[in-house]
Amino acid sequence: KAGVTQTPRYLIKTRGQQVTLSCSPISGHRSVSWYQQTPGQGLQFLFEYFSETQRNKGNFPGRFSGRQFSNSRSEMNVSTLELGDSALYLCASSLAKGQNTGELFFGEGSRLTVL
Amino acid sequence: AQSVTQLGSHVSVSEGALVLLRCNYSSSVPPYLFWYVQYPNQGLQLLLKYTSAATLVKGINGFEAEFKKSETSFHLTKPSAHMSDAAEYFCAVSDLRGSSGSARQLTFGSGTQLTVLP
Repeated sequence: KAGVTQTPRYLIKTRGQQVTLSCSPISGHRSVSWYQQTPGQGLQFLFEYFSETQRNKGNFPGRFSGRQFSNSRSEMNVSTLELGDSALYLCASSLAKGQNTGELFFGEGSRLTVL
Repeated sequence: AQSVTQLGSHVSVSEGALVLLRCNYSSSVPPYLFWYVQYPNQGLQLLLKYTSAATLVKGINGFEAEFKKSETSFHLTKPSAHMSDAAEYFCAVSDLRGSSGSARQLTFGSGTQLTVLP
């Protein structure tokens, strides 16, 4: 069974640009979450999608947005990039049904560098 | 609100020695607790989870953790460290609530970098 797939793995952007990151969840998983990881702030929750609806959002500015498609694939977008947006962006999927215990399965992440 | 505190941002042990990584949590509801491991340039891999069944939880790679409600702790241990255990370890608590379809969010600790000395 394939794991969570994130693309691209690495990318470099300049301030003011925008970026779109993609995530394909494990087959059958309907919930997709996004986390930002930085050395200073650690792992911070961005948002979670289930059945194409954002169910929960972390404390990030509106420049950070996301969406989920009918096949559960998700994208996140960051507009007007700032230097502080440099981070590892992790996508995670979960079953989100029945006896699910909140366990998340993570992809390898997309490392964004903003110059 | 939930929170997780990991005591010790860096822990060094000798190969073959006991590994003990500390985690304390705060939760207003019975928690689900997790330990994840992260190797360089990789995502997070689940080591083990506590879901209100047995308080002593066994995970992969010889790791285990014990849930102690009275101490609000969920420390991670391994009897004998291997060089391959060198990585960063994260404790997390879930805000899982309600039945299926409810929002889920993990709150992570700040992580503990484990170094294994030869």
